[in-house]
Amino acid sequence: GAVVSQHPSRVICKSGTSVKIECRSLDFQATTMFWYRQFPKQSLMLMATSNEGSKATYEQGVEKDKFLINHASLTLSTLTVTSAHPEDSSFYICSAPTPSGGGIEQFFGPGTRLTVL
Amino acid sequence: AQSVTQLDSQVPVFEEAPVELRCNYSSSVSVYLFWYVQYPNQGLQLLLKYLSGSTLVKGINGFEAEFNKSQTSFHLRKPSVHISDTAEYFCAVIAGGTSYGKLTFGQGTILTVHP
Repeated sequence: GAVVSQHPSRVICKSGTSVKIECRSLDFQATTMFWYRQFPKQSLMLMATSNEGSKATYEQGVEKDKFLINHASLTLSTLTVTSAHPEDSSFYICSAPTPSGGGIEQFFGPGTRLTVL
Repeated sequence: AQSVTQLDSQVPVFEEAPVELRCNYSSSVSVYLFWYVQYPNQGLQLLLKYLSGSTLVKGINGFEAEFNKSQTSFHLRKPSVHISDTAEYFCAVIAGGTSYGKLTFGQGTILTVHP
């Protein structure tokens, strides 16, 4: 069945460096993907909507210059955390609407654990 | 804007006992409702969903939930839990209009099943 993958699953980086996280839809095309952030022991918060062929839409309070999103193709969206700091350490999860779900149902990726030292 | 409240942050229960995880929502428009399960360091897996029709929906792993519009609730139930049900459970909604497609999650409920 349709699957959403993320790479890497875990990444540790030094403060000030940039980290790129990939989100791929494996058996279907996704013109829209969503990026969520989950802090320890907290819920998932929507960060942004990634749109193929146009700019991402960011939720209130999310710095678009810090969290760069590029929807490079119909199966790939990337999230780049620029100049990462320890407070950016979190679990990042992407999702994509299912092909037959009418934009309502979504498949989730397995998540990427980012640790900034 | 919509919001979701999960009334219990943690629910301990013994194996083979019934369990109910509570979820209430608020929205000015019609919503679609979901329950997801998350195992440690993993993404989310859909348990069940309410889109329309019968208010009692059945999902995977023996879970079911009932949509109650008057009480704006969507509580999750299982008549007999297993150790393997230990995980965190999230209630979520998608509303229409400009929020279409975007999930709003509750705070999560950690279900711990003890032997």
